[in-house]
Amino acid sequence: GAVVSQHPSRVICKSGTSVKIECRSLDFQATTMFWYRQFPKQSLMLMATSNEGSKATYEQGVEKDKFLINHASLTLSTLTVTSAHPEDSSFYICSARAPAGGGPETQYFGPGTRLLVL
Amino acid sequence: QQQVKQSPQSLIVQKGGISIINCAYENTAFDYFPWYQQFPGKGPALLIAIRPDVSEKKEGRFTISFNKSAKQFSLHIMDSQPGDSATYFCAARRGTSGNTPLVFGKGTRLSVIA
Repeated sequence: GAVVSQHPSRVICKSGTSVKIECRSLDFQATTMFWYRQFPKQSLMLMATSNEGSKATYEQGVEKDKFLINHASLTLSTLTVTSAHPEDSSFYICSARAPAGGGPETQYFGPGTRLLVL
Repeated sequence: QQQVKQSPQSLIVQKGGISIINCAYENTAFDYFPWYQQFPGKGPALLIAIRPDVSEKKEGRFTISFNKSAKQFSLHIMDSQPGDSATYFCAARRGTSGNTPLVFGKGTRLSVIA
């Protein structure tokens, strides 16, 4: 099956710094990628949808200036948490959409990135 | 407003027993219903999925039952094993192309005890 990777898997940073998380589709080109956030013992909440070459669409309540999303190529999307605060500590998960023809389920999830802001 | 409601929140099942998790949805535009399995510290992995034109789908020990009129669907895990202990999420989506995001239920923590 299709593989999606995330880097780093874990990151610890100081409050006020910025952190970049990468999401890569390893064996397919992803025209659309989704970013989710998951707090402990809770469900996945969609943050934004990014399409290659265009601006991301953010969900209501998600600050686009704080969570910068760049989808510059068909295999890479990045999420940058700017001026991180302890309340941004969470598990960030991306999913990538394979091109049409991949079957009904054409979204594949990455393994997630655990962010801890001190 | 929660679009997909999942129950129970947690479930304990004896090894060899049947695990049953239920979900209900409101949006009749949803036409794709997957179930995901997530282990701690890992991303969700697709387990099984169903379209509304089918009332049941079985893959190995996992079965989805779908009731379109009631807007409900459920996951049955037969012969549950300790290795099945994980959090399970139901989800729903409009369209089958993968362009639209998934809406997730709140999850069910399953513990299978020997």
